[in-house]
Amino acid sequence: KQEVTQIPAALSVPEGENLVLNCSFTDSAIYNLQWFRQDPGKGLTSLLLIQSSQREQTSGRLNASLDKSSGRSTLYIAASQPGDSATYLCAVRPNTGGFKTIFGAGTRLFVKA
Amino acid sequence: SQTIHQWPATLVQPVGSPLSLECTVEGTSNPNLYWYRQAAGRGLQLLFYSVGIGQISSEVPQNLSASRPQDRQFILSSKKLLLSDSGFYLCAWSKGTATGELFFGEGSRLTVL
Repeated sequence: KQEVTQIPAALSVPEGENLVLNCSFTDSAIYNLQWFRQDPGKGLTSLLLIQSSQREQTSGRLNASLDKSSGRSTLYIAASQPGDSATYLCAVRPNTGGFKTIFGAGTRLFVKA
Repeated sequence: SQTIHQWPATLVQPVGSPLSLECTVEGTSNPNLYWYRQAAGRGLQLLFYSVGIGQISSEVPQNLSASRPQDRQFILSSKKLLLSDSGFYLCAWSKGTATGELFFGEGSRLTVL
């Protein structure tokens, strides 16, 4: 059974700091991995999607990497800003099990001005 | 571009009353559609998904049902709400292609009293 874990559960950093959010999954047989951002009381916004054949994806100040063999992904945020404060969720779509994407519980990020 | 609309945004209902949450997607055809529930401090739980009109797959036994009367419309229903049905409900869609990228609506906050 695929399980997705995100550590730490919460993180507080000063503005301008580069930071890394971690995501681990137990089964390497995945179709893709997706990172989302969620603001309080809102829906999820897709940040980056990494297909199983890819090693990383970049969008602006965000870079996500994928290492299937070790069951790990990282989301790197460069030069953090207060507007980056949100919960970041990692989600894995397994090769089997139809369309059941498995989500981590998220990392709550607070960037201090 | 594709958009997803979900309503109502907030709903307060008494125990035993019916429920209807609606979701529509615009700008695409034959999307895969999903209903998720998010409990406080926990990851998202997939409730239902649909790959076509009238095709519904249920992931967990519960007091809820889903229907897809039109290609881009997905409805979450209950005949009699329970206290445990309270939560944040999210509709999502993905293309029926290899990418599998998920896109979410803004969510519906349901409180059952």
